[in-house]
Amino acid sequence: GAVVSQHPSWVICKSGTSVKIECRSLDFQATTMFWYRQFPKQSLMLMATSNEGSKATYEQGVEKDKFLINHASLTLSTLTVTSAHPEDSSFYICSARELAVTDTQYFGPGTRLTVL
Amino acid sequence: RKEVEQDPGPFNVPEGATVAFNCTYSNSASQSFFWYRQDCRKEPKLLMSVYSSGNEDGRFTAQLNRASQYISLLIRDSKLSDSATYLCVVNKGRDDKIIFGKGTRLHILP
Repeated sequence: GAVVSQHPSWVICKSGTSVKIECRSLDFQATTMFWYRQFPKQSLMLMATSNEGSKATYEQGVEKDKFLINHASLTLSTLTVTSAHPEDSSFYICSARELAVTDTQYFGPGTRLTVL
Repeated sequence: RKEVEQDPGPFNVPEGATVAFNCTYSNSASQSFFWYRQDCRKEPKLLMSVYSSGNEDGRFTAQLNRASQYISLLIRDSKLSDSATYLCVVNKGRDDKIIFGKGTRLHILP
C-alpha cells in the first residue's frame, strides 16, 4: 500500500514555541492531504484539508493563524503549531489521498506533541 | 443523531470466537465507507473498504445496509492480534471529508 511518513514522531517543547510537523507521501503523489488531531481515548478530529498549491480549508473551531498549513508540493504538507500551549498537546496525524485514484486515505504514523 | 456512531465497547471475546460490530451514519448521501484498525498510540490502518455488495477478506466480512444506514464488521476465528480499536469511517457526502467514529475497542482473551 501507499506509504506516508511524518516527522518528527514525537516532540516536547516549551510553551510559546512553534513546532513544525512534516507529512510526506513517499511513493505516490497526493493532491490532498488531511491533518487530524486525536486526544487520548477520543476519535480523530479533522483539523484541515490541504490541497497542493492552494490555501488549506480549516474545520470550524480550528484557528488558521495558530495551525499554519503549507502544501507546497504533491508529496509534502507541513503543519506548524504556532505559540504552542499545553492544551495543544495531542497526537497529530496526517493522511494523504492518492492522485485521482481512490478516496482511500493513507495515514502517517503520527506526531505526539507535548507542550510543557 | 451523531454523524457516525459506534458502540465504544470494550468487547471482550475469547480467542477463536466470532465477533461483530455495527456502525450507524446519519448522512444518507454518504458514498464511501471503510473500517480502519488503530492500535494503541499508533496511526489508523485501513482494514477494508465496504462495498454495497459486501466485502470479504479472509476472516473479515464487511456489510453495508443503506436503507438502515449502517455498516457492519464481522471477525471470525478471532486471534489475539485482532485486539485493537476498530474505527468506522464514512465520507461526508459529496465533499472530500471523511468522518471517523470514536471506535470500538476489542480485546481478544487467551
